[in-house]
Amino acid sequence: DTEVTQTPKHLVMGMTNKKSLKCEQHMGHRAMYWYKQKAKKPPELMFVYSYEKLSINESVPSRFSPECPNSSLLNLHLHALQPEDSALYLCASSQDPGFRPTDTQYFGPGTRLTVL
Amino acid sequence: DQQVKQNSPSLSVQEGRISILNCDYTNSMFDYFLWYKKYPAEGPTFLISISSIKDKNEDGRFTVFLNKSAKHLSLHIVPSQPGDSAVYFCAASAMTGGSYIPTFGRGTSLIVHP
Repeated sequence: DTEVTQTPKHLVMGMTNKKSLKCEQHMGHRAMYWYKQKAKKPPELMFVYSYEKLSINESVPSRFSPECPNSSLLNLHLHALQPEDSALYLCASSQDPGFRPTDTQYFGPGTRLTVL
Repeated sequence: DQQVKQNSPSLSVQEGRISILNCDYTNSMFDYFLWYKKYPAEGPTFLISISSIKDKNEDGRFTVFLNKSAKHLSLHIVPSQPGDSAVYFCAASAMTGGSYIPTFGRGTSLIVHP
């Protein structure tokens, strides 16, 4: 099983809503990542979890709150988002957290988020 | 300031011909380079990579060339097939804070016409 799954596929929320994005992998990978991708832009790294601990936070606003309940699951909790946060949110995992350049990342299909 | 640049947003090629996708980078610390392929409604999937100690890596129809002095790499697909139609992302990585995290380009949309 080389699949990373993400739910929901699409999400529309208001600026006062609280919602969560979910990501799951069953490849035994020890690193998981959240990326944000706007149209015609490259994926931008948001967070890295290494062995279920947050290892990298790329200065992401606190309205985005990641959580790693276990080694297979990664959540992104959303609260008080702004319309400019509308984007494709990609989850990825890798065997190890980038200790070697060959630690290939496996991506999920993404959640298309629209903030009204 | 983009460290990895894919200056061609799109490329159209006839089936059976060669597709050449280009990528330039500015950070001389990058020492590992990757290409990802993305179909609509799917996440990017790893395609091929190259270390900075090499100048060529081949995998079937896909070959990546690296010119370190020019800070340029390219992906060649020969022969191109309609199923190769996708967005191709170039990525580069360097050891930062104990991890290799790739920096992505904006992508090039390849369309292969039958």
